[in-house]
Amino acid sequence: GAVVSQHPSWVICKSGTSVKIECRSLDFQATTMFWYRQFPKQSLMLMATSNEGSKATYEQGVEKDKFLINHASLTLSTLTVTSAHPEDSSFYICSARPPWTGDYGYTFGSGTRLTVV
Amino acid sequence: GENVEQHPSTLSVQEGDSAVIKCTYSDSASNYFPWYKQELGKRPQLIIDIRSNVGEKKDQRIAVTLNKTAKHFSLHITETQPEDSAVYFCAASLEYQFYFGTGTSLTVIP
Repeated sequence: GAVVSQHPSWVICKSGTSVKIECRSLDFQATTMFWYRQFPKQSLMLMATSNEGSKATYEQGVEKDKFLINHASLTLSTLTVTSAHPEDSSFYICSARPPWTGDYGYTFGSGTRLTVV
Repeated sequence: GENVEQHPSTLSVQEGDSAVIKCTYSDSASNYFPWYKQELGKRPQLIIDIRSNVGEKKDQRIAVTLNKTAKHFSLHITETQPEDSAVYFCAASLEYQFYFGTGTSLTVIP
């Protein structure tokens, strides 16, 4: 089955530093990937839509300068949390759709737990 | 964007009983409604979905109903088992972007 891989699975960083999270589609090409954030015991919040070869589109209230998204290839999208603060600590998860699953066959990555200290 | 509400936030049932989780959505243009099961620290897993041109769908012990007029949809789990214990999220999709409900923590008591 389709696999969406995320790396790292968890990361601890100091306040003020930047962290890059990778989302890879391992056996298919994805022109679009989605990034979500999930706070403990809360729902998944759509942050942005990552488009290969063009700028990402961000949901209202998401700071695009803080959460930099790069979708440089058909199999890789990256989310960089810049100048991280403790309130950025969260579970970040991406999703992508294999072309053989139909319009809505999105599968989620394994997620990245970010802790900012 | 879309606004999805989900109830209840927590649900405890005895093993073998049924569980029902309800969601409402705000944007009538949403046309796809998946349900996900998420275990602690893991990725959400799709368990069932329904499209806007269908009123009901069933897969073994799981069923989903959709009322487009009222803009609500429900998840029904029958003959619940302890392994059904998890957090369940509904979602509404608008132009392939998913908007999630707030989640229901289901506990099945053996």
